[in-house]
Amino acid sequence: DAGVIQSPRHEVTEMGQEVTLRCKPISGHDYLFWYRQTMMRGLELLIYFNNNVPIDDSGMPEDRFSAKMPNASFSTLKIQPSEPRDSAVYFCASSFYTSQETQYFGPGTRLLVL
Amino acid sequence: SQQGEEDPQALSIQEGENATMNCSYKTSINNLQWYRQNSGRGLVHLILIRSNEREKHSGRLRVTLDTSKKSSSLLITASRAADTASYFCATDARRTGANSKLTFGKGITLSVRP
Repeated sequence: DAGVIQSPRHEVTEMGQEVTLRCKPISGHDYLFWYRQTMMRGLELLIYFNNNVPIDDSGMPEDRFSAKMPNASFSTLKIQPSEPRDSAVYFCASSFYTSQETQYFGPGTRLLVL
Repeated sequence: SQQGEEDPQALSIQEGENATMNCSYKTSINNLQWYRQNSGRGLVHLILIRSNEREKHSGRLRVTLDTSKKSSSLLITASRAADTASYFCATDARRTGANSKLTFGKGITLSVRP
């Protein structure tokens, strides 16, 4: 069982560039979550999907952020244009039955925007 | 606003001692979960306790839940150096339907000295 897979693991980019983060959830999981973790704000939920449909995107900071889930095995989080304050670790997680149950986290993508 | 808040923020103990961490929350919940995060890694689920349960055990972990006080505690017995990590509680606000999101606290940094 491969677990949640995220790529890239590290990303360094310059302000204004587009950044795309990728996630493959655990097979058979109905829910997929995108989180952002910073020292100042802790772990924040950005958006989550149920059966590929976005359910709650109230945590998405602004229009520069967008997320898609074109199929059950793939999701992207895109930041365009990126800003230094977007620097953080971005986690993808998935869960089986409901959004309240155990969530399985990927290893994260460490993003640095210069 | 944070649903779950852990205390203390940091805890340093000697190997072999017990570690007790606390979490308080504001609104009624369906369940409460504890997660561990090792440095540079994703969160790992430790234990889930439902609102109708008062205590749960898993190996060296013991979790209690007091819904009247809206608080939970995580006890790690006979701590080991490998227990050094950040520990997070996560709660979901009680609501109808399957879709409710987890809110994570800011975490407790546990250091176990060998």
